[in-house]
Amino acid sequence: DADVTQTPRNRITKTGKRIMLECSQTKGHDRMYWYRQDPGLGLRLIYYSFDVKDINKGEISDGYSVSRQAQAKFSLSLESAIPNQTALYFCATSKGQNTGELFFGEGSRLTVL
Amino acid sequence: AQRVTQPEKLLSVFKGAPVELKCNYSYSGSPELFWYVQYSRQRLQLLLRHISRESIKGFTADLNKGETSFHLKKPFAQEEDSAMYYCALRHSGYSTLTFGKGTMLLVSP
Repeated sequence: DADVTQTPRNRITKTGKRIMLECSQTKGHDRMYWYRQDPGLGLRLIYYSFDVKDINKGEISDGYSVSRQAQAKFSLSLESAIPNQTALYFCATSKGQNTGELFFGEGSRLTVL
Repeated sequence: AQRVTQPEKLLSVFKGAPVELKCNYSYSGSPELFWYVQYSRQRLQLLLRHISRESIKGFTADLNKGETSFHLKKPFAQEEDSAMYYCALRHSGYSTLTFGKGTMLLVSP
């Protein structure tokens, strides 16, 4: 079954460490996104990519970077993690056509101590 | 700037009671509105979109441009409706969604 897979699912790290969250999809979708979910703040867009050579900042990109290694892979990096980056991170995909429907991964819970 | 407001963090009702989850938006163009739902231990998923004008799991939502609202309604809540609900807006022509902060719906027996 076509899917959106995130690794790791849970990670605990220390302030200042570099962290990478990976997302891979077998849906064949062109568009991929990274969102962050915080209690009381909802979902906020970090970065998105409409194609392999396309990278765009979202509303909260500071402190994050991304890499679109292939159509199926979109990685999120925290170069130097800080405690307020503790959150649940979601990868999502969508088709090239503008349907507005996003398909989400199960989430990666990151704790920065 | 586009904004989505969900005024209630938590909505608690009894089974069989009507439910209305509020969503207001601010956007000057022609928005597209969506409701997403996240059940416990499940992925966030699309519930319905305003352009479809459909009823999903008994839920409906009507876009009211005059009141800039897209409230989600269900006449008789069920326990399995308990979940986190997010209203989302998309600027026509773009594919990124702006989400509200979410409303947790708890339906008690």
